[in-house]
Amino acid sequence: DIQMTQSPSSLSASVGDRVTITCRASQSISSYLNWYQQKPGKAPKLLIYAASSLQSGVPSRFSGSGSGTDFTLTISSLQPGDFATYYCQQGYSTPWTFGQGTKVEIK
Amino acid sequence: EVQLVESGGGLVQPGGSLRLSCAASGFTFSSYSMNWVRQAPGKGLEWVSYISSSSGTIYSADSVKGRFTISRDNAKNSLYLQMSSLRDDDTAVYYCAILTVNAFDIWGQGTMVTVSS
Repeated sequence: DIQMTQSPSSLSASVGDRVTITCRASQSISSYLNWYQQKPGKAPKLLIYAASSLQSGVPSRFSGSGSGTDFTLTISSLQPGDFATYYCQQGYSTPWTFGQGTKVEIK
Repeated sequence: EVQLVESGGGLVQPGGSLRLSCAASGFTFSSYSMNWVRQAPGKGLEWVSYISSSSGTIYSADSVKGRFTISRDNAKNSLYLQMSSLRDDDTAVYYCAILTVNAFDIWGQGTMVTVSS
């Protein structure tokens, strides 16, 4: 199974900050990497697919990059509605696996 | 509007069975692969099972293989998860999700399954 490791596990940031979350795969997954946002009590929401493609309706302050084993999710200017938990997920092979999550909290 | 609505969750004893349903609307259900993904309380996301649009291909996580069975009825726009030999660690919110571009595109609101004596 492909292991997905996110860092950090949590972070504190202020509105307007630039935030970067990293995801590393245990083997190359090409660009089959997706990012999700989950708020408490809600279902996850797809933000980025194929490493860098923005899902329809997602604000352009979210961006993704990387290929192979190392990937990054960047929020260019954190907004109040962005405080949530973020998960990466590999779509390269089954079993599809997720990172452990990164909780973005208000500083 | 694309919508997925799960149902069938509840409290069940260890070793028991439960059948989850996911009702789809707002899109051509028969054209899309579907999945079940779960999340234990306070924990991360775990993919459970996949079924192709025609039911011709099925994959399941090792943790549920032999105990859970995914199925679908395209005529009823419905996805199912038959769960048996339930264990404490199956306690989770279960989501159905559409798979497109190798990503879980649209998710339902989830249904809670609690396995406890």
